[in-house]
Amino acid sequence: GAVVSQHPSRVICKSGTSVKIECRSLDFQATTMFWYRQFPKQSLMLMATSNEGSKATYEQGVEKDKFLINHASLTLSTLTVTSAHPEDSSFYICSARSSPGTSANEQFFGPGTRLTVL
Amino acid sequence: RKEVEQDPGPFNVPEGATVAFNCTYSNSASQSFFWYRQDCRKEPKLLMSVYSSGNEDGRFTAQLNRASQYISLLIRDSKLSDSATYLCVVILNTGGFKTIFGAGTRLFVKA
Repeated sequence: GAVVSQHPSRVICKSGTSVKIECRSLDFQATTMFWYRQFPKQSLMLMATSNEGSKATYEQGVEKDKFLINHASLTLSTLTVTSAHPEDSSFYICSARSSPGTSANEQFFGPGTRLTVL
Repeated sequence: RKEVEQDPGPFNVPEGATVAFNCTYSNSASQSFFWYRQDCRKEPKLLMSVYSSGNEDGRFTAQLNRASQYISLLIRDSKLSDSATYLCVVILNTGGFKTIFGAGTRLFVKA
């Protein structure tokens, strides 16, 4: 299957700092990427849908000014957690769909980034 | 009501057992259905797609009942390596495509 990478895999930062997470599709072009957050023992919650060359679509309750998403190319989307606080500590996972607009297509997930804010 | 609901779990079964997971969805705009597997502290990985005709992959069988808005996953001859969380995933088509994850059902297979 297609490969999606994330970097970094783990980050520990102080409260108030900003953290950037990269999501790359390594062997295919992804016009749409998704950002999820998963708290312990809970399901993945979609934060936003990132479309190449346009603004991201955020889910209800997700602050777009706090979680900045940039999808500058067909293989890279970034999520920046600005002014991180301990409650932002979570497992952040990106995914990419290989063909746009085809619901049956599988989403390929990155390995996730574990963020810990002290 | 949640859009996708799964058995609460956890399921604790001995090796060799057959175990069944259920999932219901509430939105009639649900178009595609999948079972994903997620190991602890790892990303979800596709286990299998789910079709109305049912599909089987080795020890795994998935079924979809659109009339009842119900999805199932059957695992036969459970292995220790089957221990994981199984996520029911539904893709909605409401003008755009949206993926909804169930909360997952944890399975522990013991020797």
